[in-house]
Amino acid sequence: DAGVIQSPRHEVTEMGQEVTLRCKPISGHDYLFWYRQTMMRGLELLIYFNNNVPIDDSGMPEDRFSAKMPNASFSTLKIQPSEPRDSAVYFCASSLDRVGSTDTQYFGPGTRLTVL
Amino acid sequence: ILNVEQSPQSLHVQEGDSTNFTCSFPSSNFYALHWYRWETAKSPEALFVMTLNGDEKKKGRISATLNTKEGYSYLYIKGSQPEDSATYLCAFPGSARQLTFGSGTQLTVLP
Repeated sequence: DAGVIQSPRHEVTEMGQEVTLRCKPISGHDYLFWYRQTMMRGLELLIYFNNNVPIDDSGMPEDRFSAKMPNASFSTLKIQPSEPRDSAVYFCASSLDRVGSTDTQYFGPGTRLTVL
Repeated sequence: ILNVEQSPQSLHVQEGDSTNFTCSFPSSNFYALHWYRWETAKSPEALFVMTLNGDEKKKGRISATLNTKEGYSYLYIKGSQPEDSATYLCAFPGSARQLTFGSGTQLTVLP
């Protein structure tokens, strides 16, 4: 398997523009996670899905952020409008569906977002 | 909000030295403790998932121990090499699927 795939790898945009980040989880993984990594806050969970359904979006910073998972092999994280403080590395991760919390999460390479 | 703490924040060691660092987590409602290795410009990569008190896991020169009663885990690296330079993260599940990550220990191994 190719692992978790994210695109684009780098995104530079201007304040106020819409940004869409994309993720393809590992085939067969039923859980998908979006994380944001910043110097100030470290690695923080934004939202996660189970079988394409959003389960917990309490980490989404504000209404400018939205995430969808239209099918088992694709998810998007959208920021509209973007602001300079959104600049960060955004990671997508996926894991198998098993009872308990011992599942390893497999991370994608991340998207480095810069909002000017 | 779960409190997952790691220490030290950063560490510099000489090649060949052995080193260890700590992850502390809530001792109540323990599910599992995850260790990840995160190299610069790459994505976090799973090292261990630990579930049992007293458990010890090993992968090459890296090993980890777990004390669920007192809420800590140690990660050990024996004979550090420059390629071990990375940030080591621990993560604690707050619910069945949601991981709370510590801030990490940034290890630099000097040749």
